[in-house]
Amino acid sequence: DGGITQSPKYLFRKEGQNVTLSCEQNLNHDAMYWYRQDPGQGLRLIYYSQIVNDFQKGDIAEGYSVSREKKESFPLTVTSAQKNPTAFYLCASSINRRDGYTFGSGTRLTVV
Amino acid sequence: SQQGEEDPQALSIQEGENATMNCSYKTSINNLQWYRQNSGRGLVHLILIRSNEREKHSGRLRVTLDTSKKSSSLLITASRAADTASYFCATALRGSEKLVFGKGMKLTVNP
Repeated sequence: DGGITQSPKYLFRKEGQNVTLSCEQNLNHDAMYWYRQDPGQGLRLIYYSQIVNDFQKGDIAEGYSVSREKKESFPLTVTSAQKNPTAFYLCASSINRRDGYTFGSGTRLTVV
Repeated sequence: SQQGEEDPQALSIQEGENATMNCSYKTSINNLQWYRQNSGRGLVHLILIRSNEREKHSGRLRVTLDTSKKSSSLLITASRAADTASYFCATALRGSEKLVFGKGMKLTVNP
């Protein structure tokens, strides 16, 4: 079945540590996105990529980094510069921005 | 404030009743989309309505779009307990590569 897979489902980060969230899709979608969801604030766009080897900052890119070396993969690194990383992270993909997005099941990141 | 804002923020109804959710937005759009999110899960795309469309149906879902009022409504008919979830509207803005989500509204359908 085609879909989008995020791993891990739960992730714990120590202060000062970088962590990487995985996002893989087998839908042959060109565009991929990372969102952060905090309670009561909806979804906020971190980074997006419309094509391999290209990505753009979203609204809250500070403290995050991404890569898009393969069409199927769009990993997100939460760096130590992100001071409040505890949140639910959602990855999505689409054929293009004018079509509906397919979301992964999310990664819940907690700072310990 | 948000580009898209859902109203009401929370709605509680009985099974079998209809549920109506509204979304207002501020700037010109290419399309407007509705998503559902079950607790702790990813979002699921429900329906997309383009700026030149006024109404669209999908199963028990009916979406309307009024571009003059910059608003949309999502109607779920004959609701079921399984419809309990958060619902988000999202707007694809003209001239932008971004899809902007509202804060969502929580629907509870009581059996």
